[in-house]
Amino acid sequence: SQQGEEDPQALSIQEGENATMNCSYKTSINNLQWYRQNSGRGLVHLILIRSNEREKHSGRLRVTLDTSKKSSSLLITASRAADTASYFCATDARSSYKLIFGSGTRLLVRP
Amino acid sequence: DGGITQSPKYLFRKEGQNVTLSCEQNLNHDAMYWYRQDPGQGLRLIYYSQIVNDFQKGDIAEGYSVSREKKESFPLTVTSAQKNPTAFYLCASSTRTGGNTGELFFGEGSRLTVL
Repeated sequence: SQQGEEDPQALSIQEGENATMNCSYKTSINNLQWYRQNSGRGLVHLILIRSNEREKHSGRLRVTLDTSKKSSSLLITASRAADTASYFCATDARSSYKLIFGSGTRLLVRP
Repeated sequence: DGGITQSPKYLFRKEGQNVTLSCEQNLNHDAMYWYRQDPGQGLRLIYYSQIVNDFQKGDIAEGYSVSREKKESFPLTVTSAQKNPTAFYLCASSTRTGGNTGELFFGEGSRLTVL
């Protein structure tokens, strides 16, 4: 079962533009995490936001969490060609002891 | 360097054969996970283990088996009962603090192809 679903499925932008990806989930969570995957590689952790937090920043990344709407967004500012990758949200549902991943957003940043 | 090591990176299997994928971590993490990824798809949880000598089925455990005899190791066997085993397999580990799952550290994956 997929707990998180990302939107859009694919996104193509010009270098320097901002990229926004959204994630919706179904059940109460302890935290929500965002990961990045380059083609054919393992996933790399980007940022974790706890259920009692509303916004978090890390470099060019900004994550928001709205627990009332069960949704999160990832904003990448001033995108670069090297940001081209797939981005996944993952939720740590309460009492689940596991992370469940969404289907991902494929981001293409054109030089 | 600390991390997760998966082997082999590429594996070819004939129908009817069992294969075992290796996953080793030196991060001293208690929790370990196996995920399956199909082309253009997200990750689906196969098995996970919170502690040595204990593991639980994930969402798609049928046709797979695991063991957790050592903290560092969590091998996955893809059995002949798995009907569509061709996929990219990812192993991960994490800490748990106060009941919350922390950051997952992933290996580089093993790509299994059934001939």
